[in-house]
Order: sequence, then structure tokens, then C-alpha cells
Amino acid sequence: EAGVTQFPSHSVIEKGQTVTLRCDPISGHDNLYWYRRVMGKEIKFLLHFVKESKQDESGMPNNRFLAERTGGTYSTLKVQPAELEDSGVYFCASSQEYGTGGWYEQYFGPGTRLTVT
Amino acid sequence: AQTVTQSQPEMSVQEAETVTLSCTYDTSESNYYLFWYKQPPSRQMILVIRQEAYKQQNATENRFSVNFQKAAKSFSLKISDSQLGDTAMYFCAFPPLGHPGGTSYGKLTFGQGTILTVHP
Repeated sequence: EAGVTQFPSHSVIEKGQTVTLRCDPISGHDNLYWYRRVMGKEIKFLLHFVKESKQDESGMPNNRFLAERTGGTYSTLKVQPAELEDSGVYFCASSQEYGTGGWYEQYFGPGTRLTVT
Repeated sequence: AQTVTQSQPEMSVQEAETVTLSCTYDTSESNYYLFWYKQPPSRQMILVIRQEAYKQQNATENRFSVNFQKAAKSFSLKISDSQLGDTAMYFCAFPPLGHPGGTSYGKLTFGQGTILTVHP
């Protein structure tokens, strides 16, 4: 079974440009999450999709960030326009709605390293 | 608000020795899960071990075990017989309140991470 994949693995853009990150979750996983780790800091939650609906977007930093999940499959995270403080590693994770024994596991992708210069 | 604190930015250990990574957390909930995730260099994060708060017995997965002190809100990870492949960043993580049935889903709150280096 294929794991969570993310594209691109690295992206270097200039301030003011637009970047779109893509995440393909594990097939059949209803839950999709985006997280971000800014250099030297902890991993922080951005948002959570259940199928194509946004369940929780409380972690989105501002309206320069737009996430979509077309048809409840893959998701994109667009940053427009990018600022220097957006640099970091963006992780995607997916999980089934309910795990066995009342717990769940989030499976993570390898991350996209975004550098804004 | 839930918080997770890992006070050791970096740790190192010799191969075959034992190392303990610390994690403390804060929550007002009585039932929850706690996780340790591992991220090897240039690879994706994987779940190492989980603990359910209502279970008094500490979780164990092969060479990995936890010391869960609920009253102290402490959740440390012990790695026995350390191997070179254990070199990674380790994150303690904590999900939000579960549903009444005990199922938990949703965002994880992570600690700052501990970089563990295993030396030959």
C-alpha cells in the first residue's frame, strides 16, 4: 500500500510569489491534515479535512493560505503571496475515520521544504 | 489549551546503551492518548509507540517503552539497546479530546522535538 506522498519535496521561491503544495493521502483515508514546522520550532497544526470538508482550520495563519481537497482525495495548499516567515517544512498526514480499539494513527508524508527568499 | 514540552533539544548515546527522552504535557482531560513519533533524517515521521491514559500499564514496543506518570503529566520514552537506525528526531504528541465512545481524531499537538544521535 502506498503511503502519504507530497509534492514537491523542495521549493524555493521569492517573496511575493505563489506556491502550491500537493498531498496525496493513503487511499481510503477520510481524514487529511496539514502541519507546518518553522525552523527550530515545534510542528504546528494548520487544518484538518474530513473528506472534502474543512473540519478544523483554526491553525491557518492568515488568508494568504488556501487549502482545498477536491473530491475528498488529494489536497493542495496554496500560499499567495509568500512571505519570508512562511519558510519551513509542510507536512501532510492522513488517517482513517476510526481506528481499531478507539484510537487512530496519523500517517505522515515526507514533507515539503519551502524556502522563501 | 493543551501543551507538550520536550526539554531536551539534543541527546546522544552510544550504540547498545539505553537512553530516555523526556516529555511533559498539560491537559484538563482525564482520558486521552499520548504518542511518540520518530522522524529519521530525510524520511517521514512514523509512530513509535502510544499510551492510553486510562491504562496504568506502561506501553512497550520491542526496544521502546514509556514511563507514563499520569499525576505528574510525564510521558518519557526509553530506548534500550540503541541502534544506529534509532538516530532521528523524536516528537512527543498529544491529540485532542476524544468522542464519548473513546475514539480520538483530529489535530496533534507536538513538542519541540529531541534530536537523538546514536554513536557507534
